[in-house]
Amino acid sequence: DTVLTQSPALAVSPGERVTISCRASESVSTLMHWYQQKPGQQPTLLIYLASNLESGVPARFSGSGSGTDFTLTIDPVEADDTATYYCQQSWNDPWTFGGGTKLELK
Amino acid sequence: QVQLQQSGAELAKPGSSVKISCKASGYTFTSYYISWIKQTTGQGLEYIGYINTGSGGTNYNEKFKGKATLTVDKSSSTAFMQLSSLTPDDSAVYYCARGAPAYVMDAWGQGASVTVSS
Repeated sequence: DTVLTQSPALAVSPGERVTISCRASESVSTLMHWYQQKPGQQPTLLIYLASNLESGVPARFSGSGSGTDFTLTIDPVEADDTATYYCQQSWNDPWTFGGGTKLELK
Repeated sequence: QVQLQQSGAELAKPGSSVKISCKASGYTFTSYYISWIKQTTGQGLEYIGYINTGSGGTNYNEKFKGKATLTVDKSSSTAFMQLSSLTPDDSAVYYCARGAPAYVMDAWGQGASVTVSS
């Protein structure tokens, strides 16, 4: 299975820029997607196909990458962005998720 | 708006089965796949499989073959997942999600908690 590796946690101050990385154990082309999950809630889609902003998602969120290295950027970070962020690939079967990056605000 | 409404929490005995439902509204049900995802504290998010709501065709993660069975009732716009031969390792929150092109999951249900305990 394709393993997606994310840093477990990050702490940033409101107004700062934060980048969350996701590294794949093999190429996933650009079939990488990002989700946000707040405590007690279901995940919601932020970015699809590596760099496309889902409708209704603030433009503070952006994504980039291809192949094995991907990045989710939030600029500027707001207090409401406290959540866990997951990457997910749909290029290789079975689809897999990263372990999640918990974003905390200082 | 697009909504996926899942059935409630389940408490089940080891060895038994449960069937979780996912009722879709706000879009043409048969135009999108429904995927199922397992979430546990230890294992994170795991893809179980998806069902083509139009044809009933399925794709399973090998890990969940024999454990999960996906079905659909087009007349009620509802997808189902049955989990069989339950063990404590099946205790988790299970989500259904709408599958958009390129298998992006663009809308998720609220989750259904399954607890397996004697």
